Amino acid sequence: NAGVTQTPKFQVLKTGQSMTLQCAQDMNHEYMSWYRQDPGMGLRLIHYSVGAGITDQGEVPNGYNVSRSTTEDFPLRLLSAAPSQTSVYFCASSYSYSDQPQHFGDGTRLSIL
Amino acid sequence: AQSVTQLDSHVSVSEGTPVLLRCNYSSSYSPSLFWYVQHPNKGLQLLLKYTSAATLVKGINGFEAEFKKSETSFHLTKPSAHMSDAAEYFCVVFWEAGTALIFGKGTTLSVSS
Repeated sequence: NAGVTQTPKFQVLKTGQSMTLQCAQDMNHEYMSWYRQDPGMGLRLIHYSVGAGITDQGEVPNGYNVSRSTTEDFPLRLLSAAPSQTSVYFCASSYSYSDQPQHFGDGTRLSIL
Repeated sequence: AQSVTQLDSHVSVSEGTPVLLRCNYSSSYSPSLFWYVQHPNKGLQLLLKYTSAATLVKGINGFEAEFKKSETSFHLTKPSAHMSDAAEYFCVVFWEAGTALIFGKGTTLSVSS
């Protein structure tokens, strides 16, 4: 099992560009989530999904879109990158929201110039 | 509202001395609590978890934490620090009635020789 796989590991963007952060898990987990980590802020929830076709917003959803067309994949899209979105992004998954703790990916380090 | 507070943003210890990282939570419900560790440029690793069983929880690498309901605390301890313990530590709270984990802002542990 690969667990939770995030790609890319590093990315530099220019302001206004769009991109998709990929997240895939091979554990047949229904619950998946995206967090961003900023210095002194801990991890904050961006979006989450309780199963294919179902997504919802977390604490800091503005500027991000998600979709869940399959159980395995949960991509995070930046529509028009802004410097404030420079952060480390983590994807996590578990069988259900109640089945904690979640498994975390290794993160994507994103810089926006 | 549910919340979690890590009382120290930075803790410095000498190798071989005890470690204490403090965490308090506020909740109207009985939570599950976790401690995660993050080494530089790495993902999050689960150290230990409390899920309403024994109040003293033992984790990996010699760490343990005690759940004290009367004090709403879940402090992380280790009898003797190693250089390899230098990392950022997150206290995390989970409520069944919620939709996501709540992360503390993190405590950076420095270990000097």
